[in-house]
Parts: sequence; C-alpha cells; structure tokens
Amino acid sequence: AQTVTQSQPEMSVQEAETVTLSCTYDTSESDYYLFWYKQPPSRQMILVIRQEAYKQQNATENRFSVNFQKAAKSFSLKISDSQLGDAAMYFCAYLPGGGGADGLTFGKGTHLIIQP
Amino acid sequence: KAGVTQTPRYLIKTRGQQVTLSCSPISGHRSVSWYQQTPGQGLQFLFEYFSETQRNKGNFPGRFSGRQFSNSRSEMNVSTLELGDSALYLCASSLFPGREQYFGPGTRLTVL
Repeated sequence: AQTVTQSQPEMSVQEAETVTLSCTYDTSESDYYLFWYKQPPSRQMILVIRQEAYKQQNATENRFSVNFQKAAKSFSLKISDSQLGDAAMYFCAYLPGGGGADGLTFGKGTHLIIQP
Repeated sequence: KAGVTQTPRYLIKTRGQQVTLSCSPISGHRSVSWYQQTPGQGLQFLFEYFSETQRNKGNFPGRFSGRQFSNSRSEMNVSTLELGDSALYLCASSLFPGREQYFGPGTRLTVL
C-alpha cells in the first residue's frame, strides 16, 4: 500500500518570506500523480498544485512551486512571498495513475502559521 | 463553472440512526469520490463512483454505502450510526478516475 509522510506537524514563517513544506511517499508504481491541497479554517480542500510522475519538470503555480525528486520519493512545496491568506493545513496526496484502488492517499498534514 | 456542492452542511444524529449525504460534482465531471476526515485518522478514502458504478472502496464497514445517479450526482449512506462516525465527510469530483480531484465544502456529521 502507498504511504505519504509529512514530517512537519507545524511550520511558522514571517509574512513575505519563503517556506518549504516536506513530503515523502512510498510506492512501487511508476505511473502516479502527486498533489498539494490547502485546507483553511473553512475546511474547504483547495487544490494548490499537481505533479505527474512522468514529468521531470517541477510544477509551478504563481507563488507555489514543488521540488519533485522521483528517485528519493520526495515532493516538497515551496511557498514564496508568504501571505496571511496562506495560513492553513497543507496536505500532500498521492494518486495512482489510471485511477488506482485506494483513491487519494493523504499525509497527516502540516499546519502553516504566517506571522505578520 | 460552479464547484462541487454538498448537502447538508451540518447534521446531528443519534446512535443507531441512518444518514444520507448528497454531492453534486462540477458540471462535466463524471467521477465522484468520498472521504472521511477525523482528527485521529486523518483523511481516509471511502469509495469512488464512475458511470453509476462503484469502482473501489476503502477499508470501511458495510454500513457505509453509496450510489451515483445518471447525472453524476452521488449520495452516501451510513446506517446504524456509531459515535465514531462523527467526522467531516468530503466529496470530490474529477473528469475521470485518475485525474485531479476537486473537493466540496464537506458535511459535518455529529453523532450523539
């Protein structure tokens, strides 16, 4: 079974600074997707960024970028120019390609605090 | 384009009762997945529906069931509620299985 590990239960960063959230995963599959989701206090899960395993280029969405290291099974999220609205729980998630048997597998999450 | 909608947003039930939750996917999305979120277990996959068929199911007892209609709307049902079923139930839709999933606001179920 696939597992996703987020080793940082909580992170704190000053507004306008850069922060990196860590995620590692374990799978024997070669075709899969990785995602970062944001869950603010409203509890609405918001898709932040996605990465296809077959793509070597790291995904970028505005201030959000990932460092995907396939051999190391590492998938970190970098948030540049942190804003107060970035404060939330961040979940790393894995999805097997072709619609695997277990849906999305999530990590336990990282609580991101933005200090004004 | 409207997002994923879930009704009701909040529910309070007592042990032994049953409950039905509803999810309407993004227009054009044909796959609907359900997840349970609790402080202790985190986010866990319940099941996925595509073309009115359950494709797969997570490690949950048979009290948890669901269905999908021809318009891709989905319902999940929990029978004989237990205190441990108190959770946030999240629905997510995607164009097809294996594609990125977009979540609804969730239904907060409290079992007393």
